Amino acid sequence: EAQVTQNPRYLITVTGKKLTVTCSQNMNHEYMSWYRQDPGLGLRQIYYSMNVEVTDKGDVPEGYKVSRKEKRNFPLILESPSPNQTSLYFCASSLGRLSNQPQHFGDGTRLSIL
Amino acid sequence: GNSVTQMEGPVTLSEEAFLTINCTYTATGYPSLFWYVQYPGEGLQLLLKATKADDKGSNKGFEATYRKETTSFHLEKGSVQVSDSAVYFCALSDGIFGNEKLTFGTGTRLTIIP
Repeated sequence: EAQVTQNPRYLITVTGKKLTVTCSQNMNHEYMSWYRQDPGLGLRQIYYSMNVEVTDKGDVPEGYKVSRKEKRNFPLILESPSPNQTSLYFCASSLGRLSNQPQHFGDGTRLSIL
Repeated sequence: GNSVTQMEGPVTLSEEAFLTINCTYTATGYPSLFWYVQYPGEGLQLLLKATKADDKGSNKGFEATYRKETTSFHLEKGSVQVSDSAVYFCALSDGIFGNEKLTFGTGTRLTIIP
């Protein structure tokens, strides 16, 4: 089954403790992206990657890191999480350019930073 | 920069009512426009898209027409069902090569009452 898989689905942690949210897709998609969803703000793009070893900042990259060493994986890293990063996070992938191809979303990861 | 403005929610309608959710945009270049739907506890799914002016996207009885003169992409459905209850997001990709950002509106929560 074609899918985007995020782990963990839920995480409660404390300020400053490094964490990684994994994202994997089995569709051989070139494009991957991370978003955060906050009430009243909709989805905001954090980082995106157009291919292996190619990443770029979205609209809200501060406090996050990403890497794209393999085509299927695109982990999101919070080196020193803070409470303002408490949010619902989505990973997405698409076959090619966003203007032509739909994005496929994972089911989300709810992070709570205390 | 790019932006998407959606009508404020929540929207509550009776089953079989006519639905309109307004969406207007600001963008450079020639954007592609999308409507995504998010059912409770799930990630977003592409509902429909339009890639150039006057294009009409349609899916599952929903329609939206790309109006360049009014910079709008309003979502409509002639007769809604309880199963249409979800959050709807308007989004755009500005189509500039090498800049694969997707900008979302804040979302409109729709509830259909039997």
